[in-house]
Amino acid sequence: DVKVTQSSRYLVKRTGEKVFLECVQDMDHENMFWYRQDPGLGLRLIYFSYDVKMKEKGDIPEGYSVSREKKERFSLILESASTNQTSMYLCASSSHRGPTDTQYFGPGTRLTVL
Amino acid sequence: EDQVTQSPEALRLQEGESSSLNCSYTVSGLRGLFWYRQDPGKGPEFLFTLYSAGEEKEKERLKATLTKKESFLHITAPKPEDSATYLCAVQAGTDSWGKLQFGAGTQVVVTP
Repeated sequence: DVKVTQSSRYLVKRTGEKVFLECVQDMDHENMFWYRQDPGLGLRLIYFSYDVKMKEKGDIPEGYSVSREKKERFSLILESASTNQTSMYLCASSSHRGPTDTQYFGPGTRLTVL
Repeated sequence: EDQVTQSPEALRLQEGESSSLNCSYTVSGLRGLFWYRQDPGKGPEFLFTLYSAGEEKEKERLKATLTKKESFLHITAPKPEDSATYLCAVQAGTDSWGKLQFGAGTQVVVTP
C-alpha cells in the first residue's frame, strides 16, 4: 500500500513566522505535490516536483517555496506566514511508470496562522 | 482551459436510497478521470481511475462510469458509512507531469 505521511496533523503559528511542512512517501514515486484546500475553492496546486531538486510552480505559488533534497521527501515552506495562509495543506505523490499518474494523498495538515 | 464541474454540491440520502453524482469535464485529451472520497479533516482517498468512454468500475456500493463529457458515480443502497465528500479530477493528455484538475466535490450525507 502507498503511504504518504505528513509531519503534523495540526499546526498553529503566528504571523511572520517561517513554517515548514514535511511530507514523506514510501513508494519510490517520482512526482510529489503540495495542495491547499479551502471551503468553496476546492484543491489548488501550490507546487510540484518531478525529481530530486526539481520543482515547478502550480496555480498559487505566491508566498510559498519548496524543497526536495531526497526522492521520498518534499517540504513546503511558508517564508513569512500570513493569516490568509490558514488552510488545510495536502501532500500527494504519484509515479509516471503506469498508464496514468494516480495521486495518493497524505492525511493533511490543518494550519492556523494567528 | 481544463474544467471540472461536480453536481450536486450536496446530497442527503436515506439509507438504502440509491443516487448518482455527476462530474462534467472539458479537458485537452483526457488521460484519466479520477474519483476520490474525502472524510472530514482527512486527505482524499483514491477510489477509481477511468481511462476511456464506456468504461465502468465498481467497488462495493460504488460504481463509476465515463462518457466523453461526463462521469457518474452511482451509490447503490448507501449506508451511513458512505457519508463523505466525493471528489472528481481529470488528468490531461497534454500534461507531462500528471497534474490533476479537481472539481469542488459533492458532499454526501446518508442518514439511518
